[in-house]
Amino acid sequence: AQKITQTQPGMFVQEKEAVTLDCTYDTSDQSYGLFWYKQPSSGEMIFLIYQGSYDEQNATEGRYSLNFQKARKSANLVISASQLGDSAMYFCAMRDQEGNQFYFGTGTSLTVIP
Amino acid sequence: DTAVSQTPKYLVTQMGNDKSIKCEQNLGHDTMYWYKQDSKKFLKIMFSYNNKELIINKTVPNRFSPKSPDKAHLNLHINSLELGDSAVYFCASSQGLGDYPLNEQFFGPGTRLTVL
Repeated sequence: AQKITQTQPGMFVQEKEAVTLDCTYDTSDQSYGLFWYKQPSSGEMIFLIYQGSYDEQNATEGRYSLNFQKARKSANLVISASQLGDSAMYFCAMRDQEGNQFYFGTGTSLTVIP
Repeated sequence: DTAVSQTPKYLVTQMGNDKSIKCEQNLGHDTMYWYKQDSKKFLKIMFSYNNKELIINKTVPNRFSPKSPDKAHLNLHINSLELGDSAVYFCASSQGLGDYPLNEQFFGPGTRLTVL
């Protein structure tokens, strides 16, 4: 069965510092996609970054990078140079091989401290 | 232009009423979803449609009935609303089934349903 685990319910980071949000996944599929979404207090779900299971390079999008360790089944999100606007809930998600379902973790609430 | 839109954004209603939430996507995607996000922010998939066909129907009370008139629309009708139905409901869409790379979902802004 597919499963996504986020073990950090809440995280704090000083402004301008980097922070890593943890995500582990469980699947027997060979082909899958890993995603991170941001949900600010306004409520919308914002797609941040994608990593395919066959991608050898870690994905990067601006200040976001995904630390993909396939053997350990982890897909941690690294946010560099944190900004106050990064304060939000962050969800890790996986899309399975069939492609018709996304599995979400329970989320990590990130607070950036000035 | 909004990629995935939902109406209404807020819905306040009495227990026992029937209500609908509408969703439209202009991304040309094949697959659409409904999620429920509870007060603890946990996202639970309810339904998924691919080209108007139901492909995922999780354990959801049959008071919830999705309808997809075409692949750009997926509406959610809820009968006999209960207090426990209060939540944020998200519509989402994505492209492709099983085609690698597996593309992301795009979410609508959410509908906050409050049942009194």
